[in-house]
Amino acid sequence: DGGITQSPKYLFRKEGQNVTLSCEQNLNHDAMYWYRQDPGQGLRLIYYSQIVNDFQKGDIAEGYSVSREKKESFPLTVTSAQKNPTAFYLCASSERGQNTGELFFGEGSRLTVL
Amino acid sequence: KNEVEQSPQNLTAQEGEFITINCSYSVGISALHWLQQHPGGGIVSLFMLSSGKKKHGRLIATINIQEKHSSLHITASHPRDSAVYICAVRNYGQNFVFGPGTRLSVLP
Repeated sequence: DGGITQSPKYLFRKEGQNVTLSCEQNLNHDAMYWYRQDPGQGLRLIYYSQIVNDFQKGDIAEGYSVSREKKESFPLTVTSAQKNPTAFYLCASSERGQNTGELFFGEGSRLTVL
Repeated sequence: KNEVEQSPQNLTAQEGEFITINCSYSVGISALHWLQQHPGGGIVSLFMLSSGKKKHGRLIATINIQEKHSSLHITASHPRDSAVYICAVRNYGQNFVFGPGTRLSVLP
């Protein structure tokens, strides 16, 4: 079945370590997104990519990095520069057209910094 | 002022009640989405609307483009409907802007 797979589901990290969250989709979508969700808050955009080999910063990109070397993959690295990385991270994808493009989400990755 | 607002923030209903969640937005959009987030965190898309009304089972979504307002209705609510319901709009830059969510609890 088509969908988005995020891994790991739970991740614990020591301060000062970089971690990479995986996001893979087999929906043939051009657009992919990374969002952060904190308790009681809405989704905030970290990075997005509308096409392979191109990505743009979202509203809260500081301390994060991404790559988009393949259409189906959009990994997110949480670097040691991110001051408050403990959060729930969601990857999503959609078609690129303006009047199409249902939004599909992965199951999320919960990162805890110890 | 947030670009996408929802009301109410929290809602508790008895099983069987008719439920309405409202969304208003202040930006130009190409589409509006209603999403459902369960306690485990996963999010599923319920509706994508650009005009009019859509119905899936007990769920109905409407949008009024002129008034920049959308509503999500749940008929004959059930405890399994308990979740956070999120309104999101897609702007002309093709990115999504999310509302803060409405937490719904349906009691048996």
